Amino acid sequence: QVQLVESGGGVVQPGRSLRLSCTASGFPFNIYDIHWVRQAPGKGLEWVASVSRVGTHEYYADSVKGRFIISRDNPKVTLYLQMNSLRADDTAVYFCAREAISQYNEQEGYFDLWGRGTLVTVSS
Amino acid sequence: QVVLTQSPSASASLGGSVQLTCTLSSGHSSYAIAWLQQQPEKGPRYLMKVNSYGVHSKGDGIPDRFSGSSSGAERYLTISSLQSEDEADYYCQTWGTGMPWVFGGGTKLTVL
Repeated sequence: QVQLVESGGGVVQPGRSLRLSCTASGFPFNIYDIHWVRQAPGKGLEWVASVSRVGTHEYYADSVKGRFIISRDNPKVTLYLQMNSLRADDTAVYFCAREAISQYNEQEGYFDLWGRGTLVTVSS
Repeated sequence: QVVLTQSPSASASLGGSVQLTCTLSSGHSSYAIAWLQQQPEKGPRYLMKVNSYGVHSKGDGIPDRFSGSSSGAERYLTISSLQSEDEADYYCQTWGTGMPWVFGGGTKLTVL
């Protein structure tokens, strides 16, 4: 079954750290760029970070730059998000999303597969 | 940076049709967008990509009731023969070289 499954969410105090995981199945993980996208309670979608197919390029939203680190382990078909110095406004459901590729294996820019998400609550 | 504008809400009758709009900000009318559906308590689902010429690709298993079109800086999602399970939030998303991935604010569709 083609899917992405997030895990690792929970309640954490401000200033602490948390690591999220996203495990892929049913498709060749190592040919896709993968992203993290979050959704604060009752709000819209916000792109957080992305990593290239072999992990050589990382991109971050300004809101998390310097605090979050995205990485991947292709043999384990798993994506990670290390979140440090967490703040209350990081409270959200975190989704991993696969970036579509063309028939020539070029990145298309849009997200064609999403997980169900994992909830991170930053609260004292 | 490109901004995507969507109406916060829309409604239509069961069995009817509705057109949702995503407007690209000035200077970005050539950008393609993707439409996403998010049903309550679920992750988003990719519906289709719409460029300035129309629909480029649809997601796997997306019914023919869902169609896309384009006019100038506006990108449309039309849903016909509305069903109760179409009640959801609909987002548009775009991308470009040297810019972060961007989402519209979303439209909450109510099926009456």
